[in-house]
Amino acid sequence: DIVMTQSPDSLAVSLGERATINCKSSQSVLYNSNNKNYLAWYQQKPGQPPKLLIYWASTRESGVPDRFSGSGSGTDFTLTISSLQAEDVAIYYCHQYYRTMYTFGQGTKLEIK
Amino acid sequence: QLQLQESGPGLVKPSETLSLTCSVSGGSISDSSDFWGWIRQPPGKGLEWIGSIHYSARIYDNPSLKSRVTISVDTSKNQFSLKVRSLTAADTAVYYCARQKRDNWNGLDWFDPWGQGTLVTVSS
Repeated sequence: DIVMTQSPDSLAVSLGERATINCKSSQSVLYNSNNKNYLAWYQQKPGQPPKLLIYWASTRESGVPDRFSGSGSGTDFTLTISSLQAEDVAIYYCHQYYRTMYTFGQGTKLEIK
Repeated sequence: QLQLQESGPGLVKPSETLSLTCSVSGGSISDSSDFWGWIRQPPGKGLEWIGSIHYSARIYDNPSLKSRVTISVDTSKNQFSLKVRSLTAADTAVYYCARQKRDNWNGLDWFDPWGQGTLVTVSS
C-alpha cells in the first residue's frame, strides 16, 4: 500500500497569513505515461463530508477559491492557502489514486491563531 | 447536479451484518465512465477506502476488508450497496459513498461528489 504522511498534524495560522500543509507518499504517484501526479486534496469541515479542492496535485476544482493551490511531484506535495480566511478552518486530507488500493493521509487540522 | 445519499441503520449489534445503500440522483449509475465507492471514517479519525464498483459489477476493493465486505449495484434503482459482516466496535464509523471516474490511463480518479455520510454505531 502507498502510505500517505501529512505534516504537521495540526497548524494554527493568523487570519490573512499563509498556511502550508505537506503530504509525502511512500512511493511516487507520478504516472510516467501521462506525466500526471495522482494526488488530490480534500477539505473537511465538522459534520460534513470531504470536499474536493485539488486534483492532479495542482488543478483546482471548479468553484474553489484561488487562494488554494497545490504543488509538488513524485512523492512530495504541498497544499498552500495564500491568505487564511475564517471559513478555511477544517481538516485537510491528501489522497493518492495512483494505486487501486486508494489511501489518504491522516489529516491536518487547521485552526486560527 | 449529481447527488449521493446514504441510508441504513444507525445502530447494529456486534457480530451482525451492516447493510447500507447509496442512492444516486441527477445522473445514471450506468454511466460507463463512473465507479461508485464506499469510504468510512471512525469518529475523530481519518478516511479509509472500502471499495468501488462499476455498474458492470467490476469491483476494486480493499484487501484488508475484502473477506467481510460485499459491494453490489442495482441499476434499476440507481443504487449501490455495501454489506459488512461480523461487525465489531472497530467498524463504528461514518460511512460515505462517492463517485470515482475511470481514468483513461490508470485505474480510477479522485472521489467527487460525496454523500453526506451516515453514522453507524456497533454496540449491543
